[in-house]
Amino acid sequence: GQQVMQIPQYQHVQEGEDFTTYCNSSTTLSNIQWYKQRPGGHPVFLIQLVKSGEVKKQKRLTFQFGEAKKNSSLHITATQTTDVGTYFCAGPSNYQLIWGAGTKLIIKP
Amino acid sequence: GAGVSQSPSNKVTEKGKDVELRCDPISGHTALYWYRQSLGQGLEFLIYFQGNSAPDKSGLPSDRFSAERTGGSVSTLTIQRTQQEDSAVYLCASSPVEWGRNIQYFGAGTRLSVL
Repeated sequence: GQQVMQIPQYQHVQEGEDFTTYCNSSTTLSNIQWYKQRPGGHPVFLIQLVKSGEVKKQKRLTFQFGEAKKNSSLHITATQTTDVGTYFCAGPSNYQLIWGAGTKLIIKP
Repeated sequence: GAGVSQSPSNKVTEKGKDVELRCDPISGHTALYWYRQSLGQGLEFLIYFQGNSAPDKSGLPSDRFSAERTGGSVSTLTIQRTQQEDSAVYLCASSPVEWGRNIQYFGAGTRLSVL
């Protein structure tokens, strides 16, 4: 069946350093969504990418959708403590979402 | 009340007891999903309801788990004869299922602890 792989599982960064998480789908996606889950919270929708090669920015967050529409990335520039949490990508399958395992962003003390 | 509402927020039960978890989706959302999330883990799909169609139960881990959705709105997830491995956060999400834009909106979850 369709799978969405997400790496890395964890990323430890110093505050101010950059963070990147990558998603790869086993099949071509019509779109890809990104969600953020704060510690103790629930996933919250961040953005949806639809077009091949699309790049979208939200302040310090940059989202990319690959040309083949099978991979995507989220890059955070100059991380802040408010960025802490787990970032999930998800691709549609019929009216459901196939979820990546998530990448946990941890700020080193 | 614009968001997805789940109750209770926390549930502590004894092994072997039955529990019912409730989800009240966003009004007008035709799709409703249940997920399970163990500590530090990802989202495990359990069941999906879409309108009046038969639910997709493919993610239910055992026949102790069941769910229903009454009137196309409120849903109840029932776990019978709870086991310690059922301890997790149970998340409900709803979606308007607009073509090409099936964003899911999550409730705050029910944290289930089986002693």
